[in-house]
Amino acid sequence: DAGVIQSPRHEVTEMGQEVTLRCKPISGHDYLFWYRQTMMRGLELLIYFNNNVPIDDSGMPEDRFSAKMPNASFSTLKIQPSEPRDSAVYFCASSLGSYSRYNEQFFGPGTRLTVL
Amino acid sequence: AQSVAQPEDQVNVAEGNPLTVKCTYSVSGNPYLFWYVQYPNRGLQFLLKYITGDNLVKGSYGFEAEFNKSQTSFHLKKPSALVSDSALYFCVLNSGNTPLVFGKGTRLSVIA
Repeated sequence: DAGVIQSPRHEVTEMGQEVTLRCKPISGHDYLFWYRQTMMRGLELLIYFNNNVPIDDSGMPEDRFSAKMPNASFSTLKIQPSEPRDSAVYFCASSLGSYSRYNEQFFGPGTRLTVL
Repeated sequence: AQSVAQPEDQVNVAEGNPLTVKCTYSVSGNPYLFWYVQYPNRGLQFLLKYITGDNLVKGSYGFEAEFNKSQTSFHLKKPSALVSDSALYFCVLNSGNTPLVFGKGTRLSVIA
């Protein structure tokens, strides 16, 4: 199993540009999570999906952020327009099971985003 | 409200010595507790979890953790530290009805 796959691994962009981060969860997993990690704020949950449906997006910082999961094997996190304060490492994670709260999450390697 | 505290930002230990990374929690219901490790430039990796049952939980890479309900603690331990254990460790709480609550992380440095 290849694990959770994220692309790109690194992204450098200029303020105001649109950024799209991609994630492929582990096959068969029914939960998908997007996190953001910064030195100042630590690890923050942005949004999570169950069976491709967004369940809780209360962690999405503002309307510039949007996430989609068009099918069970693909999700995107989009920032439009991007700002320097969006610079962070963005992680995607997936987990399995209706009792997902008992189950560990599997994290991707992350996308390091730098907005200049 | 649910919360997790990792009181130490940094733990230094000599190789071969036992290590402990501390975690305390606060939750109104039953706690489901996890430890994850993050190596440099990598995502988090699951180490072990406590759901119910035996208070001593064994996990990957020789790590174990002891659940103590009276002290609301879930400390991570290893009898003999390796330099390769140097990483960032997260204690994570899942109360069952809300997203995971992550501690701020403790950076473990094992010195040869």
